[in-house]
Amino acid sequence: EAGVAQSPRYKIIEKRQSVAFWCNPISGHATLYWYQQILGQGPKLLIQFQNNGVVDDSQLPKDRFSAERLKGVDSTLKIQPAKLEDSAVYLCASSFSSGGGPGELFFGEGSRLTVL
Amino acid sequence: AQSVAQPEDQVNVAEGNPLTVKCTYSVSGNPYLFWYVQYPNRGLQFLLKYITGDNLVKGSYGFEAEFNKSQTSFHLKKPSALVSDSALYFCATMKIKAAGNKLTFGGGTRVLVKP
Repeated sequence: EAGVAQSPRYKIIEKRQSVAFWCNPISGHATLYWYQQILGQGPKLLIQFQNNGVVDDSQLPKDRFSAERLKGVDSTLKIQPAKLEDSAVYLCASSFSSGGGPGELFFGEGSRLTVL
Repeated sequence: AQSVAQPEDQVNVAEGNPLTVKCTYSVSGNPYLFWYVQYPNRGLQFLLKYITGDNLVKGSYGFEAEFNKSQTSFHLKKPSALVSDSALYFCATMKIKAAGNKLTFGGGTRVLVKP
């Protein structure tokens, strides 16, 4: 079974530029998550989708971050304009469980963003 | 609010010795607790979870965790550590929601196993 795919793995940009990350979840997984992991910290949930609808974006900095999940499969996370403090690893995860039980999340390898 | 705390930033252990990584939780209702491991430049890998039932949960790579309700703890253990166990370990708690479950992580504990 193919895992969660993310691209690009690494990205370096100047502050105020824009960047986009792509995620392809495990086939059949209804729930998709984007986490931000700053160096030395635990992952923090940015946004959660159930199929193609947003169920939690309470910690997403909406003035600069946006995300979409068209057709309930792939997702993109965009940052525009980027700030120095956005330097982090952006992790995508998916889960089969749609609220019927505590199934584990499966994570991609992450996209490491460096903002100069 | 659901949360977990990992009181140790780093744990050092000699190869072959027992390994313990501590986690305490604060949740309302039934706790659903997870452990994940992260190797350098990799994503998070699921190790084990506690949902209900036996307080001792066995997981991948010889790891186990003990759920203790009175101490609100869910410590990760391995009887004999390997150098390859050196990694970052995260405890997490899950909130069950009809629209999709939410996983909240602790700050992580770096484990260094020395030969």
